[in-house]
Amino acid sequence: ELKVEQNPLFLSMQEGKNYTIYCNYSTTSDRLYWYRQDPGKSLESLFVLLSNGAVKQEGRLMASLDTKARLSTLHITAAVHDLSATYFCAVDIIAGKSTFGDGTTLTVKP
Amino acid sequence: DAGVIQSPRHEVTEMGQEVTLRCKPISGHNSLFWYRQTMMRGLELLIYFNNNVPIDDSGMPEDRFSAKMPNASFSTLKIQPSEPRDSAVYFCASSLPPSEAFFGQGTRLTVV
Repeated sequence: ELKVEQNPLFLSMQEGKNYTIYCNYSTTSDRLYWYRQDPGKSLESLFVLLSNGAVKQEGRLMASLDTKARLSTLHITAAVHDLSATYFCAVDIIAGKSTFGDGTTLTVKP
Repeated sequence: DAGVIQSPRHEVTEMGQEVTLRCKPISGHNSLFWYRQTMMRGLELLIYFNNNVPIDDSGMPEDRFSAKMPNASFSTLKIQPSEPRDSAVYFCASSLPPSEAFFGQGTRLTVV
C-alpha cells in the first residue's frame, strides 16, 4: 500500500524567510503532484512532476522530484502572507489514482 | 470549460434521510474521483471511475454509500441513510492522466 508522508504538518514562518516542505512516498512512482488549498476552498493544482529530476517553479514556489529517493520538495523563497494555505502532495502508482499526503498548513506572519 | 461542477454546494439534512451529491466532470476527462475531507481523517478517496467504470471503491466507508457514473458527463454519490458522522466536505475531481486532477468546489454536508 502506498504511503505518502509530508513534513512538517504545520509550519509558521515569517515573511521574507525561506523554507522547504518535504514529501516522502513508499512505492516507486514517477508521477507526483502538488496542490494548494485555501481555508474553506477547494484544491488547486500547483505543479505536476512526471520524471526523475523534474523541477518546476512558479513565483516564490519551486518543486522538485527525486524518484530514486522517493522524495519531493516544495521550496518557498522569501515567503509572503499570500502563501498562507495548506499544501498537499499526491502520488500516482496507478494512472490517475492519487494518494494524498496529510497536508502541510503554512502560516506566514508579518 | 467551467471546470468540475458540483451540486449542491451546501446540504443540511436530518439523520436517516437520503442524500445525493452530483458532479459534472470536465469534458474530455476520463477519470473521476469522489473524495471526502474532514479535520479528523483528512482527504480520503472514496471511489475512482475510469471511462465511467468504477475501478476502485475500497474507500467507500460502508454499504450506505453508493456512487454511479451513468455517462461521461455526470456522476452521483448517494448516502442512504445518512448519519451525523457523514458530515464532511465531499469533493469531486476529474483528470486525464497523467495530467493533474481538477477539483470541484465541494459539497459541505451536515447531517443533524
